[in-house]
Amino acid sequence: EVQLLESGGGLVQPGESLRLSCAASGFALSDHNMNWVRQAPGKGLDWVSYISDDGETILYADSVRGRFTISRDNAKNLLYLQINSLRVEDTAMYYCARERFPIFADASDVWGQGTMVTVSS
Amino acid sequence: IVLTQSPGTLSLSPGERAILSCRASQSVRSNFLAWYQQKPGQAPRLLIYGASIRATGIPDRFSGSGSGTDFTLTINRLEPEDFGVYYCQQYGSSRTFGPGTKVDIK
Repeated sequence: EVQLLESGGGLVQPGESLRLSCAASGFALSDHNMNWVRQAPGKGLDWVSYISDDGETILYADSVRGRFTISRDNAKNLLYLQINSLRVEDTAMYYCARERFPIFADASDVWGQGTMVTVSS
Repeated sequence: IVLTQSPGTLSLSPGERAILSCRASQSVRSNFLAWYQQKPGQAPRLLIYGASIRATGIPDRFSGSGSGTDFTLTINRLEPEDFGVYYCQQYGSSRTFGPGTKVDIK
């Protein structure tokens, strides 16, 4: 079964750091471009970051550029999101999502169930 | 690219037709526009990509149309399981989501 499983979320204080992981199963992560998308409680979807299948192309939303770092380890079938200098407004469910095909930009057809990040003092 | 969705909420009865709009602040390259459905406590589910292509397993009562800056998701004959929040996303220039349209039971 094709699945994505996020981990690494939790309750942290402002200014702290977290590394989120996304484990892929049932398919080769190296065959797909990947995204992180977040959703604050009761709010809409907020695209965070993109990484191409080979890791060569990386994109960030303006709101997170400079604090968030996306990376991947295709050999381990793992996607990561390093979040530094956490802010209260980063509180959200963080989803990893697989794009359909790597040849060009595509929609996300497989999503994990998310990992919750809560930033509070 | 900023996406605007309307209406914010759509109150309809089962069996009715839902028409959801997504407008982009500039033309979406190659009509790289997708629609997702999300229900409470669940991850989003891909419905439509390339503005009008149904994803695998999506019933044909869902249809997408439009090009350039104006796109529409139509849901014919609403089923009880169709109620939720619908998001459009463009992936032609980086990626962005619209604010969503909530479809609820009248």
